[in-house]
This record gives sequence, structure tokens and C-alpha cells, in this order.
Amino acid sequence: DAGITQSPRHKVTETGTPVTLRCHQTENHRYMYWYRQDPGHGLRLIHYSYGVKDTDKGEVSDGYSVSRSKTEDFLLTLESATSSQTSVYFCAIRNPGGANTEAFFGQGTRLTVV
Amino acid sequence: AQKVTQAQTEISVVEKEDVTLDCVYETRDTTYYLFWYKQPPSGELVFLIRRNSFDEQNEISGRYSWNFQKSTSSFNFTITASQVVDSAVYFCALSEQDSNYQLIWGAGTKLIIKP
Repeated sequence: DAGITQSPRHKVTETGTPVTLRCHQTENHRYMYWYRQDPGHGLRLIHYSYGVKDTDKGEVSDGYSVSRSKTEDFLLTLESATSSQTSVYFCAIRNPGGANTEAFFGQGTRLTVV
Repeated sequence: AQKVTQAQTEISVVEKEDVTLDCVYETRDTTYYLFWYKQPPSGELVFLIRRNSFDEQNEISGRYSWNFQKSTSSFNFTITASQVVDSAVYFCALSEQDSNYQLIWGAGTKLIIKP
């Protein structure tokens, strides 16, 4: 199994509070992604990174920011959590071989905003 | 724009039946890659297969088979003699060579195998 760990696995937070989710990899893969999964929407890309300090927005980036100061860590921050951000969040990594390589996923983080 | 459509939201069959999950994609690129993933009830996402646009050979792995047809822009997944353990949500995904390695996902098909 690919070495990718998400923390925390579960979190309940209050509306308006900041939240940071962490993705840690031991595979030295260049590309890292944050997705959210909601019923009926499949996986939607929030942000992705193609190297240290190189990040870009996905299709649902509003209300989220990311940082990647080291190859192995990709942080997702909800600046001020809202109930619409209640979701399951997945981190994924891909090796630098190119687009033909599959993504490996973390176990997911279930976030509930109350 | 690139797009992946999994029109079957949910399929329910009885164990040992064969079942096909459809995946239709849209892309303007001539070089692209298609994937299938499985998400069992436990929630993790498991990679099943990758296919590139230059390889239209069908693939068989045990009870699983994949039919890639560029003429109809489809990459369908068949499970033969289904088992209860096949119950999961199955996702099809597309990646274009020039898309900075993004994956475009279908909405998923929930497969229920009844004993």
C-alpha cells in the first residue's frame, strides 16, 4: 500500500472556526491532491500541488486554502468552516511518471461542521 | 471540455449474475488515460485498472473485464459471476496528457449484490 496518511480521520467543528487537515506521504510523489466527496457528486477537486510551494485551484476551491512547504505534507485549511463544507475529504498522490499513473488515496477525513 | 459520465446511479443484482458498469467520456486530446476505482463500504478508494488511449485491447482479470471502445468513447467494466464482496461504489476517471495530471471523475455507480 502507498504510504499516505490523513489526519485527523474524523473531526467535528463549529461553524466559523478554522480547520486544518493534513496529508502526509512517504512515497516522495510530486503530485498531491485534495478532493471532497459528497453524495451524488463523486469526487471533486479542491486544490492540487505539483511541487513544493506549487499549488493550484480545483473546481471547488472557494473557502479552502492549501500549503505545501515540504514534499511529504499537503495541508488543507478551511479558513472559516461552514455547514456546506461538511464532507469526506480525500488526499491523493501520484508519482511523477506522468498522467498514465494511477492515484493513491488516503483513508479519508470525515468532517462535520455544526 | 473533458467529462466522464456514469449514467447508472445504482445497480442491484443477485449474486452470480453478470453486471456491466458503463463509463462514457469526452475529451479533445488524442492522448489520455482512463481508470476504474472501487470504493467498498469501508470507504477507501482502491485502484482497479488503467488504460491509455493507444491501447484498445480489452483486459480480463479474474472475474473482472474491461471493454475500451474509442469509437463510442466508452470504457465499460463487467463483473462476471458477481459476489457479495463486489458490492461497492465504482468510479471511472479520465486524465488528459496536458491537464497537469488532474483526474476527471464520474459520479460513480453504486453496485449492490444481493445474496
